[in-house]
Amino acid sequence: QVQLVESGGGLVKPGGSLRLSCAASGFTFSDYYMTWIRQAPGKGLEWVSYVSGSGSHTNYADSVKGRVTISRDNAKKSIYLQMNSLRAEDTAVYYCARSFPFDYWGQGTLLTVSS
Amino acid sequence: QSVLTQPPSASGTPGQRVTISCSGINSNIRSDTLNWYQQLPGTAPKLLIYNNNQRPSGVPDRFSGSKSGTSASLAISGLQSEDEADYYCAAWDDRLNGPVFGGGTKLTVL
Repeated sequence: QVQLVESGGGLVKPGGSLRLSCAASGFTFSDYYMTWIRQAPGKGLEWVSYVSGSGSHTNYADSVKGRVTISRDNAKKSIYLQMNSLRAEDTAVYYCARSFPFDYWGQGTLLTVSS
Repeated sequence: QSVLTQPPSASGTPGQRVTISCSGINSNIRSDTLNWYQQLPGTAPKLLIYNNNQRPSGVPDRFSGSKSGTSASLAISGLQSEDEADYYCAAWDDRLNGPVFGGGTKLTVL
């Protein structure tokens, strides 16, 4: 069965960096775009970034563009989100999801940016 | 501010039929890409409806989606207590070349 497991969240100071990971299993990973979506505490869902199956095509929301880099390792069936220059407003649960329409989601990992 | 607009709350009694709207579907939104997600308290979102009105396997037929013009709706018939959740619409925006979400609707079963 399809499984997505995020990791790497934690408490980071403003201006700091962090890398989130998402490990996939149960499907042909390289065939699918993968996406990061976040949810600030008590708020709605916000798309962050996606990466194509080969890793050659990426896109980012304006709110994170220039501060975030998405990547993937198909051999490890994983995607990553390198986040730099973190701000308080980046505090959220970060979900990875499989290809629009996002038929599978992970359980999420919480990133808190606070001094 | 979300591109797609949903009412912040909705409610119904067990057995009732409720609908949740999603408006603001403009020309940037790719046709037939309107999806709905259910998020139960403390859990990750789950795909409920895709491509306007298609149900993934395992989703009860009590849930249905429709789209007309610049709005879409999620209908839940035979409302049950376990339907109490947050519901989000989403669609593909060709101008952003990415997905956009509605702000979410909290459904309360009275």
